[in-house]
Amino acid sequence: EVQVLESGGGLVQPGGSLRLSCAASGFTFSRNFMSWVRQTPGRGLEWVSSISKSGDATYYADSVKGRFTVSRDNSKNTLYLQMNGLRAEDTAVYYCAKDLLWSWDYWGQGTLVTVSS
Amino acid sequence: QSALTQPASVSGSPGQSIAISCTGTSSDVGSSNHVSWYQQHPGKAPKLIIYDVTNRPSGVSDRFSGSKSGNTASLTISGLQAEDESDYFCTSYTTTRTYVFGTGTKVTVL
Repeated sequence: EVQVLESGGGLVQPGGSLRLSCAASGFTFSRNFMSWVRQTPGRGLEWVSSISKSGDATYYADSVKGRFTVSRDNSKNTLYLQMNGLRAEDTAVYYCAKDLLWSWDYWGQGTLVTVSS
Repeated sequence: QSALTQPASVSGSPGQSIAISCTGTSSDVGSSNHVSWYQQHPGKAPKLIIYDVTNRPSGVSDRFSGSKSGNTASLTISGLQAEDESDYFCTSYTTTRTYVFGTGTKVTVL
């Protein structure tokens, strides 16, 4: 059974940092692109970042470029999102998702990130 | 990149068919074969129901179908059932190698 499980969310002050992790199982992790997508009540769903199978190519939404870094460890079947310079507008539920042909076929349950003083 | 435009709500009676539109631009929907649709129940993660405009993942009911014309993609739900009451989102790959989501549509089964 395919599973992806996010962790690492929490409360952080504006300007702070947080690292999210996503543990994957039930599929060959190294053969799949992976992505992060976030959701807020006000702005709906927003694609954040994607990473290639080997990790040599990364892609970011303009809203996070230069502040967030996606990476992966294929030996640990784990995806990461390093978030620096956090802003109030980064407050959201962050989902890890397995790519399927420019879509996402498996999603985690999400981890809540709250940026507030 | 602006969000794709979806109607805020669509409703229908059991057994009817409804369609949800997803309007973008020539930089996303209009130029992409990679339009997908997601169903999301409250408090749950999104579920993929259509990918690459018209394709259904294994296990998704054939009552869901997708299409595209110009800058607008559409999701049709035929034989509407109570369990279809949910939020639906479209998304498109773009010419700048990013993704853009739709604003979301709440489907109500009357």
